[in-house]
Amino acid sequence: IAGITQAPTSQILAAGRRMTLRCTQDMRHNAMYWYRQDLGLGLRLIHYSNTAGTTGKGEVPDGYSVSRANTDDFPLTLASAVPSQTSVYFCASSVSGTEMYYGYTFGSGTRLTVV
Amino acid sequence: DQQVKQNSPSLSVQEGRISILNCDYTNSMFDYFLWYKKYPAEGPTFLISISSIKDKNEDGRFTVFLNKSAKHLSLHIVPSQPGDSAVYFCAAPVYGGSQGNLIFGKGTKLSVKP
Repeated sequence: IAGITQAPTSQILAAGRRMTLRCTQDMRHNAMYWYRQDLGLGLRLIHYSNTAGTTGKGEVPDGYSVSRANTDDFPLTLASAVPSQTSVYFCASSVSGTEMYYGYTFGSGTRLTVV
Repeated sequence: DQQVKQNSPSLSVQEGRISILNCDYTNSMFDYFLWYKKYPAEGPTFLISISSIKDKNEDGRFTVFLNKSAKHLSLHIVPSQPGDSAVYFCAAPVYGGSQGNLIFGKGTKLSVKP
């Protein structure tokens, strides 16, 4: 089934540890995104990639890094986790970074708790 | 400053009745708007969109209305069903150079009671 796969589904992480959230899509979408969802704050963009080899910062990029070595994969790394990074993280993709009338396809999310 | 606002965190409706979810925006340059639906423990899914050149778009039980002069859009669900209980987000694309991305409202949690 075509779509986006995120891993892990959930994780409890000690503060200060490094972690990579994985995201893979099989739809050959050019653009990919990472959002975090927090209660009362909705979905906020962390980083995005318009095409393989390029990345950009979103609304809340601090403490996170991304890479886009190929079309399918867009991992999100927390270099040194802090409790404020406790959130649900969603990866998304779209056919194009400039044409979004049909919006994004989202993954099922990763629930991260930093303790 | 939020460019897309959903001022009602929650809404409760009786099954069979109409649900109306509201969204306000500040940027008159938005060229279209989207609604997403999200169930617990799942990712958001695209529901319906509307171009800024239209004032209405309908898809089955779901209709989105756009009032550009008021910078307001609304999602109508008729008739509401218990399976419609979810969080609904409105969204709009913003562009910087050649790149665009969606910005989302904070969401409205709809509860449809049997």
